[in-house]
Amino acid sequence: NAGVMQNPRHLVRRRGQEARLRCSPMKGHSHVYWYRQLPEEGLKFMVYLQKENIIDESGMPKERFSAEFPKEGPSILRIQQVVRGDSAAYFCASSPRSAGTNEKLFFGSGTQLSVL
Amino acid sequence: GNSVTQMEGPVTLSEEAFLTINCTYTATGYPSLFWYVQYPGEGLQLLLKATKADDKGSNKGFEATYRKETTSFHLEKGSVQVSDSAVYFCALSRIQGAQKLVFGQGTRLTINP
Repeated sequence: NAGVMQNPRHLVRRRGQEARLRCSPMKGHSHVYWYRQLPEEGLKFMVYLQKENIIDESGMPKERFSAEFPKEGPSILRIQQVVRGDSAAYFCASSPRSAGTNEKLFFGSGTQLSVL
Repeated sequence: GNSVTQMEGPVTLSEEAFLTINCTYTATGYPSLFWYVQYPGEGLQLLLKATKADDKGSNKGFEATYRKETTSFHLEKGSVQVSDSAVYFCALSRIQGAQKLVFGQGTRLTINP
């Protein structure tokens, strides 16, 4: 039973490049959540997706950031024209159904993005 | 808005010491409260939770009690082990049906033999 798989573990980009972060949820999970952890801060919610749908993107920056969860394949968090302030750890979590207080989120190990 | 404040780390203890990691929160209404743990190289794992006032969550020797009067959810363990070395995150959730957790900044715990 593979857990939530994120890749790459570490990603280095120069300013202005694009970053693509991948998340494969646990088998049977159709709900994916992305969180970002800036240095010395807690994880902050970015976006919640179901297969082919964005349910809640209230935590996503308005520009340069996008997320998708296609019918086939992993969820992708895409950051265009990266800036140094995008350097952070990006965590993905999944759940088998909409996660209320009785539902557990399963987290991946995160992708550490470093922008030079 | 909703927020979580954790005891600043890092925290270093000797094996078998008593552990307390403080967590306080600000939220409207009645949030659910969680402690997550991240072991080196791994993702966050749910350690324990409490969904209403005076509930006590417990797991692996860790405990935390939901105190509404002090808006706190402090994590405690009576006798820590080297294997408890990890980063601990306190979190709250206010939204039913779409869990948007609000996390504290994390506390790094190191246990020396």
